[in-house]
Amino acid sequence: QKEVEQNSGPLSVPEGAIASLNCTYSDRGSQSFFWYRQYSGKSPELIMSIYSNGDKEDGRFTAQLNKASQYVSLLIRDSQPSDSATYLCATLNTGFQKLVFGTGTRLLVSP
Amino acid sequence: DAGVIQSPRHEVTEMGQEVTLRCKPISGHDYLFWYRQTMMRGLELLIYFNNNVPIDDSGMPEDRFSAKMPNASFSTLKIQPSEPRDSAVYFCASSRPGLPEQKLFFGSGTQLSVL
Repeated sequence: QKEVEQNSGPLSVPEGAIASLNCTYSDRGSQSFFWYRQYSGKSPELIMSIYSNGDKEDGRFTAQLNKASQYVSLLIRDSQPSDSATYLCATLNTGFQKLVFGTGTRLLVSP
Repeated sequence: DAGVIQSPRHEVTEMGQEVTLRCKPISGHDYLFWYRQTMMRGLELLIYFNNNVPIDDSGMPEDRFSAKMPNASFSTLKIQPSEPRDSAVYFCASSRPGLPEQKLFFGSGTQLSVL
């Protein structure tokens, strides 16, 4: 079992819709969770972080965390074509500074 | 700040040759990470340093891979001898101490092709 699992996609949504990206993790000791966005041919950049159960909102982005289910999600409201990218889920392993990434979900937003 | 600087941007080499990838982290960041990205395996952590000391190299695939950080502003990842299966994008990333977020700043990556 991979430490962080994501559906590779692509996830296709029309412009203006809500995109829902999901991630599960296996390390129950993980305390910090992150979403990175990676445009094609570019390097990953951090867009959201979440540490506590529940929702965290930042503009059009909402991260959701359920530690009991070991589940993290990212919602993108009012999706734009510029949101088309690969979204990488990452967890900080127990007690360390080591970020473990999922393989990413490719999101395609069509005009 | 110039960000994390990696060189070369692209590297094409023949099997058996030595390859050296270079990284300059952001000044003041004392964590440095080397990742490898492929379509099949995604982003894999190879090794990371804290204050120039290697902390975890469990991701280094084989003895053919080695990494050094002689000072706070420079790190190298060396592959000797290189093999076609080493073809991937290699990212260097750095982070600042004391941040609970563990925000990694990535370099632009080195696209390595081993023929």
